[in-house]
Parts: sequence; C-alpha cells; structure tokens
Amino acid sequence: EVQLVESGEVFVQPGGSLRLSCATSGFTFSSYAMYWVRQAPGKGLEWVSAINGDGRKTYYADSVKGRFTISRDNSGNTLYLQMSSLGAEDTAKYYCAKNSIGYYGDNWGQGTPVIVSS
Amino acid sequence: EIVMTQSPATLSVSPGERATLSCRASQSVSSNLAWYQQRPGQAPRLLFYGPSTRATGIPARFSGSGSGTEFTLTISSLQSEDFAVYYCQQYNNWPLTFGGGTKVEIK
Repeated sequence: EVQLVESGEVFVQPGGSLRLSCATSGFTFSSYAMYWVRQAPGKGLEWVSAINGDGRKTYYADSVKGRFTISRDNSGNTLYLQMSSLGAEDTAKYYCAKNSIGYYGDNWGQGTPVIVSS
Repeated sequence: EIVMTQSPATLSVSPGERATLSCRASQSVSSNLAWYQQRPGQAPRLLFYGPSTRATGIPARFSGSGSGTEFTLTISSLQSEDFAVYYCQQYNNWPLTFGGGTKVEIK
C-alpha cells in the first residue's frame, strides 16, 4: 500500500524558513516523480513544485521560485520542501503527491499545515 | 501559464441525478488532463487522467471525456459520497495548473 506522510513545523514568523518532509512507503520511490501542492484556507489547490525521479529536474510555480527548494532522498524514500522568506500568502495546507506517468498525483498524503504569522 | 477554468463554480444536484462538470483550458493541453475529488477535510483523490482513464477504485458512474481545450466530468447518478469539490489539472505544460474547482452540493 502506498503511503505518504507529511511533517514539519506548523508555525513560522514572516520572513522565516521551514522544511517540510514527506516520508513514503509502498512503492519504488526513485522511479516516480513527486510534487507538492498547497491549499490556502477555504481556497482551491495550487501546484507548488515538482521533481523527477532521480532529482535532477525540478520545477516551480512563479509564486515560490527563488524561495522554495524541492529535493529528495532516494535512499531514505523522502521528499522535502525547503521554504524561505515566508509570507502570509504561504499559509496553507501542503500536500505531497506521488506522480504517475505524467505529472499528476495518483496518491496523496493527508497534508501538513503551515501558518505564517507573527 | 495555462489557465484552467471550471464551470459552474457550484452545482446543486439531487441524489440520483446526473451531474456534468466542465473544465476549459486557455490553450490546448492535448489529453494531459486529470480530475480529482476532494471531500471536506480530506486530501484530493485522483479520479481520471488522460482524461478518460479511470483511476483505481473509481466507480463506473464517473466518466471523463474531452481533449484539447474542453473537458467534461460526468457523474451519472449522484450518491451521497459524491458531494464534494472537483478539480481539474493540466500536466501538458509548466507550470502545472489547477482549475478553481466545482463544488457539487445537495439540492
């Protein structure tokens, strides 16, 4: 069974940094691209970042480019999202998802909240 | 950036009735479109990709169609568990983009 479990600090001050983790199991992690999607309170889904299976190709939404870094540890089956220069607009629940043949999410974690507030 | 527009924003349907949801892309995404269902308090769940290939475990009352710029998700006979928000996502171009969602509510 595919499992994805996100974790990270919940509260951060404006301008601060945070790293999210997504621990995975139940599939050959290095064979699949992964992505992060966020959802602000009461809003829709927003794609944030994606990474291919070997970690050599990364992609970002314009809203986070230069501030967020996606990475993966294929030996530890874990996906990461390093976030910096955080603002209130980054407050959201962050989901990691396993991608399939295309960059769409065929399995999703339950999400982890990030609250940017002073 | 490809803009995905979903309509209607809210659809009020009685249980047992048919629901038709639309997703339009600002430029062609070929067949690189996925649909998701999100129930309250839950993570999104993949329904379709390609855009008519049903994901694992999705009931046959759900169907997806379309290509290019126009896509449709149809639920033939709504069940109580189908009342949720539905999103489309294109994966043809970077950045990936989602539609704003259609909320299917009980009439």
